[in-house]
Amino acid sequence: SQQGEEDPQALSIQEGENATMNCSYKTSINNLQWYRQNSGRGLVHLILIRSNEREKHSGRLRVTLDTSKKSSSLLITASRAADTASYFCATDGSRGGKLIFGQGTELSVKP
Amino acid sequence: EAQVTQNPRYLITVTGKKLTVTCSQNMNHEYMSWYRQDPGLGLRQIYYSMNVEVTDKGDVPEGYKVSRKEKRNFPLILESPSPNQTSLYFCASSWRGGQPQHFGDGTRLSIL
Repeated sequence: SQQGEEDPQALSIQEGENATMNCSYKTSINNLQWYRQNSGRGLVHLILIRSNEREKHSGRLRVTLDTSKKSSSLLITASRAADTASYFCATDGSRGGKLIFGQGTELSVKP
Repeated sequence: EAQVTQNPRYLITVTGKKLTVTCSQNMNHEYMSWYRQDPGLGLRQIYYSMNVEVTDKGDVPEGYKVSRKEKRNFPLILESPSPNQTSLYFCASSWRGGQPQHFGDGTRLSIL
């Protein structure tokens, strides 16, 4: 079963706009991670937020975590065409060692 | 350069013909994992390994085998491939379970 569920499934915006993607999960976690995947390529780790953190920044990325609602959001500010990719959240689940991925949000940034 | 290397990158084969997809990492990571990616289903974990000689089933282990005899290598074995195993496969590694993973470039398997 999928632990992380991303929303929306697809998002299309213009360059310069902000993009927000959401992730919900079901069980308690130690951390939540966001990954990016360019078409058909391997995933690339973007950012990790621990369960005791509420917000984290990395460059144009801002991640929030609300453990009471079991949800997270990824904000990409001032998006660029090169940000076009699929974005996945992943949680470490209830058993150590397993990283459970959601189905992803497909982001398209038009120049 | 830190990397996870998978081979082959592409393979077309027939039902029942045993195949192995190799995975090697050069980062001395303890944790390694295999995923398959199918449209609409995201990434699903097949098997993972917390360390040498320690492997465990993921969410979709049926029809697959793995071994972890050395820290750097984690091959995925399909003893008798079937068409429903046609997919895009990824190997990944991290220094410890639950930590950020480095992914290989993927292996696209087609089983006819």
